[in-house]
Amino acid sequence: EPEVTQTPSHQVTQMGQEVILRCVPISNHLYFYWYRQILGQKVEFLVSFYNNEISEKSEIFDDQFSVERPDGSNFTLKIRSTKLEDSAMYFCASSEKGTSSYNEQFFGPGTRLTVL
Amino acid sequence: AQKVTQAQTEISVVEKEDVTLDCVYETRDTTYYLFWYKQPPSGELVFLIRRNSFDEQNEISGRYSWNFQKSTSSFNFTITASQVVDSAVYFCALSEPQGGSEKLVFGKGTKLTVNP
Repeated sequence: EPEVTQTPSHQVTQMGQEVILRCVPISNHLYFYWYRQILGQKVEFLVSFYNNEISEKSEIFDDQFSVERPDGSNFTLKIRSTKLEDSAMYFCASSEKGTSSYNEQFFGPGTRLTVL
Repeated sequence: AQKVTQAQTEISVVEKEDVTLDCVYETRDTTYYLFWYKQPPSGELVFLIRRNSFDEQNEISGRYSWNFQKSTSSFNFTITASQVVDSAVYFCALSEPQGGSEKLVFGKGTKLTVNP
């Protein structure tokens, strides 16, 4: 069964450093998402991406964040200068299409980011 | 604006008890989707169910059942004869497909502990 994969599973970085979180969505999917979950809290939407551009972003997704689909398979989230409060689990998700009929988002296993 | 409220922060039951997890949502759209996800201690998000706003039929899947009531904007989840393996955090989520992003808005989650 196809699945969303994320690497690394755990990333530790120093405050101020740049990190790139990587995701490989399911191959025929067209919509991609990043969500964040600070430890013990709810899952929060960060950004959605379709047709090589951001379709929606939350207020959390400020100038420190960027997303990219550098090739036909990867979908990346970059944090330019990490802060302590960026420590969280980051989930990638993908869905087949975003038309009037809903298409389920498939979640990856997450990357735990720890900023020291 | 979309909002999901899970008023129960933590619930503790003894094995074989029935337990109901509450979810109340807010939306201005007539077309929307509701979800339940399970997050075991390992951290991944496990999809349990999706309902659309036009289908108020209750659903049963094994020991799980869901009660969707538009009149009270609720989508409650019942586990019958709970088991230790049901221990997890359960998230209710809402999506409004208008605009194409279909982002998920999650509640804060209910931590369920099933004791032997």
